[in-house]
Amino acid sequence: QSALTQPASVSGSPGQSITISCTGTSSDVGGYNYVSWYQQHPGKAPKLMIYDVNKRPSGVSNRFSGSKSGNTASLTISGLQAEDEADYYCCSYAGSSTYVFGTGTKVTVL
Amino acid sequence: EVQLVESGGGLVKPGGSLRLSCAASGFTFSSYSMNWVRQAPGKGLEWVSSISSSSSYIYYADSVKGRFTISRDNAKNSLYLLMNSLRAEDTAVYYCARTAWGATEYFDYWGQGTLVTVSS
Repeated sequence: QSALTQPASVSGSPGQSITISCTGTSSDVGGYNYVSWYQQHPGKAPKLMIYDVNKRPSGVSNRFSGSKSGNTASLTISGLQAEDEADYYCCSYAGSSTYVFGTGTKVTVL
Repeated sequence: EVQLVESGGGLVKPGGSLRLSCAASGFTFSSYSMNWVRQAPGKGLEWVSSISSSSSYIYYADSVKGRFTISRDNAKNSLYLLMNSLRAEDTAVYYCARTAWGATEYFDYWGQGTLVTVSS
C-alpha cells in the first residue's frame, strides 16, 4: 500500500495547460481502470474531478481531463484559471475494496 | 442533497480510544459502501477503511489494522470508526466518504471532516 507518486508542485500561467502525473504499479493504476482525481482547496474537503480514468462528473468543467498509460495516470487542466489553484490527489483502486492515494500535487497559477 | 457529517473528534492521549461517527442523509444509506479517509496536518490523503452496504465486507489499511474497527448502523444512517491504541501518527482530519454506486471504484461524496489529535 505505498502511495502513488505525484510531482510535489506544478505551475502555469492563466490560460495555459498543465499536466499532473500519477505513477503506481501493476497492482493499482496499471491493473484497473479505476483512477480518480480529487481537488482540495485549503481547509476544505476533497472534491471529485475525474473518475474511471477519464470520466467527468456532472458540474465539473470540461477543462479537466484524465488519461492513463500503463502504470501512470495523468490529469490535464487546460485554460488554467485562478480558481484551479489547489492541491490535487489521484487515487487508484488496489483490489479487495482497498484504495491508494497519490502523494498530492500543489497547483499554482502564476 | 447528499450530506455526510462527521463528529466525535478531539484530543486524546497516546494509547487512548475514540469513536468517530458520520451521519448520512439525502440518499439510501443502506445501498452504498462507505469509507474513512484521513489527512494528517499538512500531508496527503490516506484511505483508512471501507465497509460494504450490509457490513459483509470490511477492509483496513495496514497502518490501522488491528487497532481500528469500522461499523455502520443502516437503521440510523450512520457510519462509525472505533479507534483504539491511538498513536501520535494517527493525528489527522478524518473524512467519511461514500463509494459511488455501480461497477466503479471512487468516492463521490465527502464529509467536512473531524480532527483527531493524539498528544500527551
